[in-house]
Amino acid sequence: AQSVSQHNHHVILSEAASLELGCNYSYGGTVNLFWYVQYPGQHLQLLLKYFSGDPLVKGIKGFEAEFIKSKFSFNLRKPSVQWSDTAEYFCAVNDYNNAGNMLTFGGGTRLMVKP
Amino acid sequence: DAGVIQSPRHEVTEMGQEVTLRCKPISGHNSLFWYRQTMMRGLELLIYFNNNVPIDDSGMPEDRFSAKMPNASFSTLKIQPSEPRDSAVYFCASKGGGGQNEQFFGPGTRLTVL
Repeated sequence: AQSVSQHNHHVILSEAASLELGCNYSYGGTVNLFWYVQYPGQHLQLLLKYFSGDPLVKGIKGFEAEFIKSKFSFNLRKPSVQWSDTAEYFCAVNDYNNAGNMLTFGGGTRLMVKP
Repeated sequence: DAGVIQSPRHEVTEMGQEVTLRCKPISGHNSLFWYRQTMMRGLELLIYFNNNVPIDDSGMPEDRFSAKMPNASFSTLKIQPSEPRDSAVYFCASKGGGGQNEQFFGPGTRLTVL
């Protein structure tokens, strides 16, 4: 079965610091990859997604992620975080060939940005 | 587009009572998902439907949990009888057809079982 690992459970940064959140998945076949963000008390919203093509994907609010197939990774980055980026971030993988529409989510990374 | 609609937004009930959570997916979407989120276990997929048909309910924790999708615009998740450990936020998400679509999440129902 597909599994998704987010190794950083909690991250604390100061404003303007650079961010990189790790995401690794287990399935070696064709995958679709997603990063969702959940602001405090809110629902999950899509930040960005990768299906094919350029492995460097740009999303909303200055976020980007790079798909590295050889490393089974899809790390999320932002060059300069803001206090408003305080949220929980979830990586998700759609193992499209075997699991249809299902997404497998990582355990989430809680980001706190200090003003 | 109103997005995924869930009701109620908050539910407080007593142990042993029946709880029904409701979801209206985005119009035209043909897949619907129920998730549960807790601090201890994170985000768990409970069940999902394709074209109103349950495809995978392996995440449903016990027989106390049941889900239905009588038509393309409505789904329910029922817990009977409810227990305090069912307290969580329950999210519904929907997805359109085709390979390059993401799931859209509803605002969630925060359930507290006393």
